[in-house]
Amino acid sequence: DAGVTQSPTHLIKTRGQQVTLRCSPISGHKSVSWYQQVLGQGPQFIFQYYEKEERGRGNFPDRFSARQFPNYSSELNVNALLLGDSALYLCASSLVGTANTGELFFGEGSRLTVL
Amino acid sequence: QQPVQSPQAVILREGEDAVINCSSSKALYSVHWYRQKHGEAPVFLMILLKGGEQKGHEKISASFNEKKQQSSLYLTASQLSYSGTYFCGSLQGGSEKLVFGKGTKLTVNP
Repeated sequence: DAGVTQSPTHLIKTRGQQVTLRCSPISGHKSVSWYQQVLGQGPQFIFQYYEKEERGRGNFPDRFSARQFPNYSSELNVNALLLGDSALYLCASSLVGTANTGELFFGEGSRLTVL
Repeated sequence: QQPVQSPQAVILREGEDAVINCSSSKALYSVHWYRQKHGEAPVFLMILLKGGEQKGHEKISASFNEKKQQSSLYLTASQLSYSGTYFCGSLQGGSEKLVFGKGTKLTVNP
């Protein structure tokens, strides 16, 4: 079975631009979470969606937004990019929500570089 | 509140044991452990729940002390494949927000 797939794998943008990252969860998984991982740090929670509804939001500015589609795939959008947005963006899917029982399956990530 | 992990890094020889600790200043509802190898995605190891229930599929054991708000991951008879960065995560107030610590880098040498 296919795992969590993310696209693009690498991308380079300039300050002020906008970026859209895409994620396809494991078949049958209804929950998708987004994390930002800066080099040398743990993943930081951005959003979590379950059954197309936002269930959690991390401490990120409004420039960050996301949505989940009827087929449970998801997009993360970041507007007005800053140099500090350079990071690995990880998508994770789970069968149920994360609370207490949800094992997360992570994709390989999208590495964003902002120049 | 980000969980605090210790040590930050540890170097072992194959066959040696290691303990990685995770603590929080806030109440822990559950503790989630993941391992990330260099250049790869994090991989699930274990979830520890209040009341002692554990869910995992690796030959790794862990403990969860609810009163002390601490968890420890025990790596016994370490193998080269154990190398990587270990992250513990805690849920914020029973929400869906999983907050990870900064990680513990484990290196196992032959």
